[in-house]
Amino acid sequence: EVQLVESGGGLVQPGRSMKLSCAASGFTFSDYYMAWVRQAPKKGLEWVASISYEGSSTYYGDSVKGRFTISRDNAKSTLYLQMNSLRSEDTATYYCARPSVYYPAGWFAYWGQGTLVTVSS
Amino acid sequence: DIQMTQSPPSLSASLGETVSIECRASEDIYSNLAWYQQKSGKSPQLLIYYASSLQDGVPSRFSGSGSGTQYSLKISGMQPEDEGVYYCLQGSKYPYTFGAGTKLELK
Repeated sequence: EVQLVESGGGLVQPGRSMKLSCAASGFTFSDYYMAWVRQAPKKGLEWVASISYEGSSTYYGDSVKGRFTISRDNAKSTLYLQMNSLRSEDTATYYCARPSVYYPAGWFAYWGQGTLVTVSS
Repeated sequence: DIQMTQSPPSLSASLGETVSIECRASEDIYSNLAWYQQKSGKSPQLLIYYASSLQDGVPSRFSGSGSGTQYSLKISGMQPEDEGVYYCLQGSKYPYTFGAGTKLELK
């Protein structure tokens, strides 16, 4: 059974950093692109970033480019999101997501339960 | 960036009614479109991928269609469990972009 479990969220002050993790199990992690998607309270979904199989290629949404870094450790089957220079507008539930197919695609069939990040002083 | 315009923002349907939700892309996305359902407090669920392919386990009353810049999701026979918010997502080009969502309620 595919499982994605996010961790690392919480309360952080504006301008500070935070690192999220997503522990994957039930599939060969290195066979799939992975992604982060976020959702601000009472708002819609926003794709944040994606990463290729070995991590050599990364892609970011405009609102996080230059501040967030997606990475992965295939030996640990873990996806990461390093978030720097956090702003109040980064307050959201962050989901880890995996496509249903082996190639990069926007069909995320598997999602974690999400981890809430609150940016506030 | 590709903009996804989703309509309507909300709708209310009676039991058994057929409903449609539309998404329009700002450029051709070559059917690289997915539809998601999100119920309150839950993670999104993939319904349709590649514009018209039904994800495993999703009831057959859900269907997708479209090409180029215009896409739609149809629910043939509204059920109580279909209440939620529906989103389209274009996966043709980075950055991927979601529609703003459609809130569907049972009348």
